[in-house]
Amino acid sequence: EAGVTQSPRYAVLQEGQAVSFWCDPISGHDTLYWYQQPRDQGPQLLVYFRDEAVIDNSQLPSDRFSAVRPKGTNSTLKIQSAKQGDTATYLCASSPRGEQYFGPGTRLTVL
Amino acid sequence: GDSVIQMQGQVTLSENDFLFINCTYSTTGYPTLFWYVQYSGEGPQLLLQVTTANNKGSSRGFEATYDKGTTSFHLQKTSVQEIDSAVYYCAMRVTGGLSGKLTFGEGTQVTVIS
Repeated sequence: EAGVTQSPRYAVLQEGQAVSFWCDPISGHDTLYWYQQPRDQGPQLLVYFRDEAVIDNSQLPSDRFSAVRPKGTNSTLKIQSAKQGDTATYLCASSPRGEQYFGPGTRLTVL
Repeated sequence: GDSVIQMQGQVTLSENDFLFINCTYSTTGYPTLFWYVQYSGEGPQLLLQVTTANNKGSSRGFEATYDKGTTSFHLQKTSVQEIDSAVYYCAMRVTGGLSGKLTFGEGTQVTVIS
């Protein structure tokens, strides 16, 4: 069974640029999570979906971040105007209503 | 709000040493507690789950215990090997409400030298 896949694996931007991250969850998993993991810290939940519905986006900086999962399968997380403070690894995880399975993450550096 | 505190930032051990990592948690709900391991360049992987009903869990030579009285949970391994070098995170999920959300500790970098 294929695991959670994410792309790109790395991204380097200048402040003010936009970037999108893509996640393909494990087939059949109805719940999908996006976490932000700053260097040397634990993952922090940004948003999560059950099917195509947003369940919790209270930690998503709504002025610059957006996330969609239009068909309840793949998901995209977008940063509209990146800041240096957004430098982190962005992790996607999926779950069949229990254990969360994480992808390898996208490491973002904002210069 | 819900929180998980993991005080040990870094631990360096020799092979066959005893590993012990402690976390404390705070919640008004009913927690399920986890230990995740993260190797360099990878996402976290579930190592152990401990429910407040069974107090203990074990996997791959690691054992996790939970103490409701002190709201703490521990990860231990009797004899570590170099391949155990990784970052270990404690995490909590609270049932009910916005169930599914994991709250992670800050992580403990474990380095095992041969």
